[in-house]
Parts: sequence; structure tokens; C-alpha cells
Amino acid sequence: RKEVEQDPGPFNVPEGATVAFNCTYSNSASQSFFWYRQDCRKEPKLLMSVYSSGNEDGRFTAQLNRASQYISLLIRDSKLSDSATYLCVVPDSNYQLIWGAGTKLIIKP
Amino acid sequence: DGGITQSPKYLFRKEGQNVTLSCEQNLNHDAMYWYRQDPGQGLRLIYYSQIVNDFQKGDIAEGYSVSREKKESFPLTVTSAQKNPTAFYLCASSNSPGLISGNTIYFGEGSWLTVV
Repeated sequence: RKEVEQDPGPFNVPEGATVAFNCTYSNSASQSFFWYRQDCRKEPKLLMSVYSSGNEDGRFTAQLNRASQYISLLIRDSKLSDSATYLCVVPDSNYQLIWGAGTKLIIKP
Repeated sequence: DGGITQSPKYLFRKEGQNVTLSCEQNLNHDAMYWYRQDPGQGLRLIYYSQIVNDFQKGDIAEGYSVSREKKESFPLTVTSAQKNPTAFYLCASSNSPGLISGNTIYFGEGSWLTVV
């Protein structure tokens, strides 16, 4: 099992819709989790941090399910500008970041 | 403004050549990192340094070398021993060596290396 696994997509979603995707992780001891957004040919940028059961920031909600070892990212009222690749990041037992391969999201007008 | 500067942004290398990617930060961070990203993949750690004059191998260090002679600089050399170097290279720094939480890691804009 990969340490951090994501559905690569792409998710094709109409503007205004709600979309959610998951990230599964193997290190049951992980205490913190992160979602990054990466635009094409750009560096990743932090979107959300998750330290407990979840986090919400405007249209974005991240939820953690420790029992099943996955975190989800929910985007409500999607905008064209939300089109990007979303990377899930989980620290390993040595506190180094393990990056998922990302989920590509395409918002269509 | 504080930040991380990588150069060059685009670089072409002939097979058998060594190339060096520059990374400079003025954030006064102790820890610096080099990642490689291939198309459709996540970031993989090449090397990291938690303090000047010290660095450790990451998951894919073979064919790469680094130095950390100054706190603000962490250049990466892609040697001829790296058989498949074409990729997007990202330099990062953090004010939390050892334990790096996602919200304390800062990235440069990346360098695209292509072997011709």
C-alpha cells in the first residue's frame, strides 16, 4: 500500500457544483495532514491544514477519518479558478512530508 | 520581500553533463529541501539540510549532490549518474527542522530540467 494515495482524476465538474475527493494514508500515527493546491507548472501552495477532526475555510472543508485513515477535501460552489491539482500531504514517522500524486480538478463553465 | 529564489527556471542538459540548480532564501530558515516532481506524480525528497554544513539523503538521492556552505544557499547538482533527470525540481525551506508542518514550508517557483 502506498503511504499516501489519491485518485488521480481528472474530476470534471460544472461550475457551482460541489465536489469531494479523498486521500488515504498508511501511517496511523500521523497527527497532522495538509492539502496543497498546485497549478499547472507552478509550485504547490498550502490550502488547508488538518490537526483534529477537520477544518473549514470558506468554501473548502477538510475532514479526517482516523479509523479508516483517510482525509477528504470538499469544495462547495466551485469556481473556474478552483481548477488545479490538489495534493494531499502526510508526515511520516520521521516527520518528513510524504506527498500524494494529486487529484486533478477541472471546473467547466 | 522575503522568499525563495530558484534559478534557472528552465534548463536544458546534454546527456553526460552535470548541471547545478541554484536555490537562495532570505527567510533565515535553518532547514532547506530539494524535491523532484515527475508528471502526474507527487513530490519526492532528494536531499535535505537542517543546518549549515550538514545534509541528509532523501528517498531518491542517487545521481544528485548538494552543499550547504551558507545558511541561505542550498544548490543541487544533477550529475551524469542520474539516468532520468528530466523533471520539475522544487526547492523549499522551513523554520521547523526535523518536524516540518505543512504551513511552515515555503517553496521556490521551481526549475524545469530537460535532457536533450
